[in-house]
Amino acid sequence: GDSVTQMEGPVTLSEEAFLTINCTYTATGYPSLFWYVQYPGEGLQLLLKATKADDKGSNKGFEATYRKETTSFHLEKGSVQVSDSAVYFCALSVSFGNEKLTFGTGTRLTIIP
Amino acid sequence: EAGVTQFPSHSVIEKGQTVTLRCDPISGHDNLYWYRRVMGKEIKFLLHFVKESKQDESGMPNNRFLAERTGGTYSTLKVQPAELEDSGVYFCASSQDRGRVQETQYFGPGTRLLVL
Repeated sequence: GDSVTQMEGPVTLSEEAFLTINCTYTATGYPSLFWYVQYPGEGLQLLLKATKADDKGSNKGFEATYRKETTSFHLEKGSVQVSDSAVYFCALSVSFGNEKLTFGTGTRLTIIP
Repeated sequence: EAGVTQFPSHSVIEKGQTVTLRCDPISGHDNLYWYRRVMGKEIKFLLHFVKESKQDESGMPNNRFLAERTGGTYSTLKVQPAELEDSGVYFCASSQDRGRVQETQYFGPGTRLLVL
Protein backbone atom coordinates (compact mmCIF):
# COMPACT_ATOMS: atom_id res chain seq x y z
CA GLY A 1 0.00 0.00 0.00
CA ASP A 2 0.85 3.66 -0.03
CA SER A 3 3.06 5.01 2.75
CA VAL A 4 5.08 8.04 3.78
CA THR A 5 8.22 7.99 5.90
CA GLN A 6 9.55 11.20 7.39
CA MET A 7 12.40 11.88 9.74
CA GLU A 8 11.57 11.48 13.36
CA GLY A 9 11.69 14.45 15.63
CA PRO A 10 11.76 16.39 17.60
CA VAL A 11 14.06 18.76 15.76
CA THR A 12 15.46 21.77 17.58
CA LEU A 13 17.30 24.50 15.72
CA SER A 14 18.54 27.98 16.42
CA GLU A 15 16.96 30.92 14.65
CA GLU A 16 18.37 31.52 11.15
CA ALA A 17 19.62 27.94 10.84
CA PHE A 18 19.07 25.86 7.71
CA LEU A 19 16.27 23.33 7.90
CA THR A 20 15.81 20.00 6.18
CA ILE A 21 13.06 17.54 7.02
CA ASN A 22 13.36 14.35 5.02
CA CYS A 23 10.36 12.64 3.47
CA THR A 24 10.25 9.55 1.26
CA TYR A 25 7.24 7.73 -0.07
CA THR A 26 5.94 4.51 -1.53
CA ALA A 27 2.96 4.70 -3.83
CA THR A 28 1.07 2.31 -6.06
CA GLY A 29 0.28 5.02 -8.59
CA TYR A 30 1.58 8.45 -9.50
CA PRO A 31 1.11 10.55 -6.37
CA SER A 32 0.69 14.21 -5.64
CA LEU A 33 2.87 15.24 -2.70
CA PHE A 34 2.13 17.68 0.10
CA TRP A 35 3.58 19.26 3.19
CA TYR A 36 1.09 20.25 5.87
CA VAL A 37 1.92 22.27 8.99
CA GLN A 38 0.16 22.37 12.33
CA TYR A 39 0.89 25.39 14.49
CA PRO A 40 0.16 25.14 18.22
CA GLY A 41 -3.56 25.11 18.92
CA GLU A 42 -4.54 25.15 15.25
CA GLY A 43 -5.59 22.70 12.55
CA LEU A 44 -3.45 21.44 9.71
CA GLN A 45 -2.70 23.92 6.96
CA LEU A 46 -1.40 23.13 3.53
CA LEU A 47 2.14 24.52 3.30
CA LEU A 48 3.05 23.49 -0.24
CA LYS A 49 2.45 20.81 -2.83
CA ALA A 50 3.78 19.31 -6.05
CA THR A 51 1.82 17.23 -8.50
CA LYS A 52 4.44 15.85 -10.89
CA ALA A 53 8.09 14.87 -11.02
CA ASP A 54 10.62 17.71 -10.76
CA ASP A 55 7.96 20.19 -9.68
CA LYS A 56 9.03 22.45 -6.82
CA GLY A 57 6.47 23.59 -4.29
CA SER A 58 7.22 26.72 -2.31
CA ASN A 59 5.56 28.91 0.29
CA LYS A 60 6.68 31.14 3.18
CA GLY A 61 10.33 30.50 2.37
CA PHE A 62 9.88 26.71 2.45
CA GLU A 63 10.62 24.58 -0.60
CA ALA A 64 10.31 20.94 -1.58
CA THR A 65 11.10 19.25 -4.90
CA TYR A 66 9.29 16.16 -6.18
CA ARG A 67 12.05 13.63 -6.88
CA LYS A 68 10.61 10.58 -8.59
CA GLU A 69 13.96 8.82 -8.97
CA THR A 70 14.55 8.86 -5.22
CA THR A 71 10.85 8.88 -4.23
CA SER A 72 11.49 11.87 -2.00
CA PHE A 73 9.97 15.24 -1.16
CA HIS A 74 12.31 16.81 1.38
CA LEU A 75 11.27 20.09 3.02
CA GLU A 76 13.88 22.85 3.21
CA LYS A 77 14.15 26.41 4.44
CA GLY A 78 17.24 28.53 4.34
CA SER A 79 16.74 30.54 7.51
CA VAL A 80 14.17 29.47 10.07
CA GLN A 81 12.34 31.77 12.47
CA VAL A 82 10.83 31.19 15.88
CA SER A 83 7.39 31.43 14.26
CA ASP A 84 8.19 28.31 12.21
CA SER A 85 7.92 26.17 15.34
CA ALA A 86 5.19 23.64 14.55
CA VAL A 87 4.58 20.04 13.56
CA TYR A 88 5.20 19.29 9.89
CA PHE A 89 3.50 16.43 8.05
CA CYS A 90 4.46 15.00 4.69
CA ALA A 91 1.58 13.45 2.76
CA LEU A 92 0.61 11.97 -0.58
CA SER A 93 -2.52 11.38 -2.55
CA VAL A 94 -2.82 8.89 -5.39
CA SER A 95 -5.86 9.80 -7.37
CA PHE A 96 -7.36 11.63 -10.24
CA GLY A 97 -9.70 13.52 -7.98
CA ASN A 98 -10.54 14.15 -4.41
CA GLU A 99 -9.11 11.19 -2.62
CA LYS A 100 -7.67 10.49 0.79
CA LEU A 101 -4.33 11.73 2.02
CA THR A 102 -1.73 9.34 3.37
CA PHE A 103 0.42 11.02 6.01
CA GLY A 104 3.77 10.50 7.65
CA THR A 105 4.15 10.54 11.41
CA GLY A 106 4.92 14.24 11.64
CA THR A 107 8.07 16.06 12.73
CA ARG A 108 7.94 18.51 15.60
CA LEU A 109 10.18 21.50 14.95
CA THR A 110 11.23 23.91 17.67
CA ILE A 111 13.19 27.04 16.86
CA ILE A 112 15.02 28.72 19.71
CA PRO A 113 15.99 32.40 19.61
CA GLU B 1 -15.32 32.80 4.95
CA ALA B 2 -15.51 30.46 7.95
CA GLY B 3 -13.14 27.52 8.01
CA VAL B 4 -13.82 23.95 9.00
CA THR B 5 -15.10 23.79 12.55
CA GLN B 6 -15.20 20.85 14.91
CA PHE B 7 -17.00 20.29 18.18
CA PRO B 8 -16.09 19.59 20.89
CA SER B 9 -12.46 20.60 21.01
CA HIS B 10 -11.82 18.13 23.82
CA SER B 11 -13.72 15.16 25.21
CA VAL B 12 -12.87 12.91 28.14
CA ILE B 13 -15.05 9.84 28.58
CA GLU B 14 -14.88 6.48 30.26
CA LYS B 15 -14.46 3.21 28.47
CA GLY B 16 -17.83 1.91 27.33
CA GLN B 17 -19.44 5.31 26.96
CA THR B 18 -20.59 6.90 23.73
CA VAL B 19 -19.15 10.04 22.17
CA THR B 20 -20.31 11.99 19.13
CA LEU B 21 -17.99 14.33 17.28
CA ARG B 22 -19.29 16.95 14.92
CA CYS B 23 -17.71 18.59 11.87
CA ASP B 24 -19.00 21.58 9.92
CA PRO B 25 -17.21 21.86 6.58
CA ILE B 26 -16.61 25.01 4.60
CA SER B 27 -19.84 26.08 2.96
CA GLY B 28 -20.20 24.66 -0.53
CA HIS B 29 -17.62 21.91 -0.06
CA ASP B 30 -19.08 18.60 -1.20
CA ASN B 31 -16.14 16.52 0.00
CA LEU B 32 -15.78 15.80 3.70
CA TYR B 33 -13.10 13.61 5.24
CA TRP B 34 -12.44 12.22 8.70
CA TYR B 35 -8.91 11.41 9.86
CA ARG B 36 -7.44 10.31 13.18
CA ARG B 37 -4.05 10.66 14.83
CA VAL B 38 -3.39 8.22 17.63
CA MET B 39 -0.64 8.79 20.23
CA GLY B 40 1.75 10.81 18.07
CA LYS B 41 1.62 8.38 15.17
CA GLU B 42 0.71 9.19 11.60
CA ILE B 43 -2.60 10.77 10.73
CA LYS B 44 -4.79 8.02 9.29
CA PHE B 45 -7.73 8.32 6.95
CA LEU B 46 -11.08 7.10 8.24
CA LEU B 47 -13.65 7.92 5.58
CA HIS B 48 -14.72 10.25 2.81
CA PHE B 49 -18.16 11.67 2.04
CA VAL B 50 -19.23 13.21 -1.24
CA LYS B 51 -22.29 15.19 -0.26
CA GLU B 52 -24.30 12.73 1.84
CA SER B 53 -22.84 9.56 0.31
CA LYS B 54 -19.93 7.55 1.69
CA GLN B 55 -17.38 7.47 -1.10
CA ASP B 56 -14.71 5.55 0.78
CA GLU B 57 -14.96 4.15 4.29
CA SER B 58 -11.99 1.80 4.05
CA GLY B 59 -10.25 3.41 7.01
CA MET B 60 -12.99 2.91 9.57
CA PRO B 61 -11.41 0.69 12.23
CA ASN B 62 -14.48 -1.34 13.23
CA ASN B 63 -18.24 -1.24 13.60
CA ARG B 64 -18.05 0.78 16.80
CA PHE B 65 -17.56 3.82 14.58
CA LEU B 66 -20.52 5.31 12.72
CA ALA B 67 -20.29 8.37 10.51
CA GLU B 68 -23.20 10.26 9.03
CA ARG B 69 -23.68 13.32 6.89
CA THR B 70 -27.35 13.97 6.63
CA GLY B 71 -28.30 16.50 3.97
CA GLY B 72 -24.74 16.76 2.80
CA THR B 73 -23.83 19.51 5.25
CA TYR B 74 -22.32 18.78 8.64
CA SER B 75 -21.10 15.34 9.65
CA THR B 76 -21.05 13.40 12.88
CA LEU B 77 -18.75 10.60 13.95
CA LYS B 78 -20.07 8.45 16.77
CA VAL B 79 -17.99 5.99 18.75
CA GLN B 80 -20.07 3.45 20.65
CA PRO B 81 -18.88 1.93 22.91
CA ALA B 82 -15.57 3.74 23.23
CA GLU B 83 -12.40 1.77 23.98
CA LEU B 84 -9.04 2.94 25.34
CA GLU B 85 -7.38 2.63 21.92
CA ASP B 86 -9.84 5.14 20.46
CA SER B 87 -8.02 7.97 22.23
CA GLY B 88 -6.44 10.43 19.86
CA VAL B 89 -7.11 13.54 17.81
CA TYR B 90 -9.90 13.35 15.24
CA PHE B 91 -9.56 15.71 12.32
CA CYS B 92 -12.14 16.69 9.78
CA ALA B 93 -11.32 18.17 6.38
CA SER B 94 -13.33 19.43 3.44
CA SER B 95 -12.68 20.28 -0.18
CA GLN B 96 -14.52 21.40 -3.27
CA ASP B 97 -15.39 18.92 -5.96
CA ARG B 98 -14.05 19.76 -9.39
CA GLY B 99 -13.86 16.31 -10.85
CA ARG B 100 -10.35 15.15 -11.66
CA VAL B 101 -8.55 18.13 -10.18
CA GLN B 102 -6.78 17.47 -6.87
CA GLU B 103 -8.36 20.09 -4.66
CA THR B 104 -6.80 21.28 -1.44
CA GLN B 105 -8.23 19.74 1.70
CA TYR B 106 -8.89 22.27 4.47
CA PHE B 107 -8.62 20.90 7.97
CA GLY B 108 -10.38 21.73 11.18
CA PRO B 109 -8.57 22.14 14.51
CA GLY B 110 -9.42 18.60 15.59
CA THR B 111 -11.21 17.02 18.53
CA ARG B 112 -8.94 15.58 21.19
CA LEU B 113 -10.59 12.43 22.59
CA LEU B 114 -9.37 10.73 25.74
CA VAL B 115 -10.93 7.44 26.81
CA LEU B 116 -10.17 6.45 30.39
